[in-house]
Amino acid sequence: GDSVTQTEGLVTLTKGLPVMLNCTYQTTYSPFLFWYVQHLNEAPKLLLKSSTDNKRTEHQGFYATLHKSSSSFHLQKSSVQLSDSALYFCALKAGGYKVVFGSGTRLLVSP
Amino acid sequence: GALVYQYPRRTICKSGTSMRMECQAVGFQATSVAWYRQSPQKTFELIALSTVNSAIKYEQNFTQEKFPISHPNLSFSSMTVLNAYLEDRGLYLCGARPRTDTEVFFGKGTRLTVV
Repeated sequence: GDSVTQTEGLVTLTKGLPVMLNCTYQTTYSPFLFWYVQHLNEAPKLLLKSSTDNKRTEHQGFYATLHKSSSSFHLQKSSVQLSDSALYFCALKAGGYKVVFGSGTRLLVSP
Repeated sequence: GALVYQYPRRTICKSGTSMRMECQAVGFQATSVAWYRQSPQKTFELIALSTVNSAIKYEQNFTQEKFPISHPNLSFSSMTVLNAYLEDRGLYLCGARPRTDTEVFFGKGTRLTVV
């Protein structure tokens, strides 16, 4: 069935360093991927989305490229900030209105 | 903008009792509403997906008998947790979408504690 895999449960980094959060997916549909960010006690908010193969999409310094050949949609940022500490979820539109989420990656940025 | 409100934000219920949570979409039409449970380990579980003019579809391990859902119009949905037990604890999130090519708009969730 349709699924999303995020391999890192926790990523800890020092401010200013680059980060990549992994996301791979499986689907029988044409893929439409999302990255959501959830800060403490807040609702998950959309960070990025894409359905176009090999096209980089960017928002708030984060970027990701959907690669259908490797079924991946990794999230990257060149220089993390303290305010980037949050939960990050990769999600897949799985036919119709259904969206499935990965298990999430907690990013902790230290000074 | 598109907003989703959920209430109550927090609730405590005794083991074996039931509680109802509500979800209101503002600024867009909630053609579909998905109810998720976020566990203490932070993973999202899809409970059910409700699309206007279609039957509510429950995921494996979740049933209508335990989590009855109402989606009477394009701005409102409610879900009840019947006969709640400790394993039902968590943050229940409502996610609404106006169309299939848009993202999910989430509310802040209802945090259920069972004592």
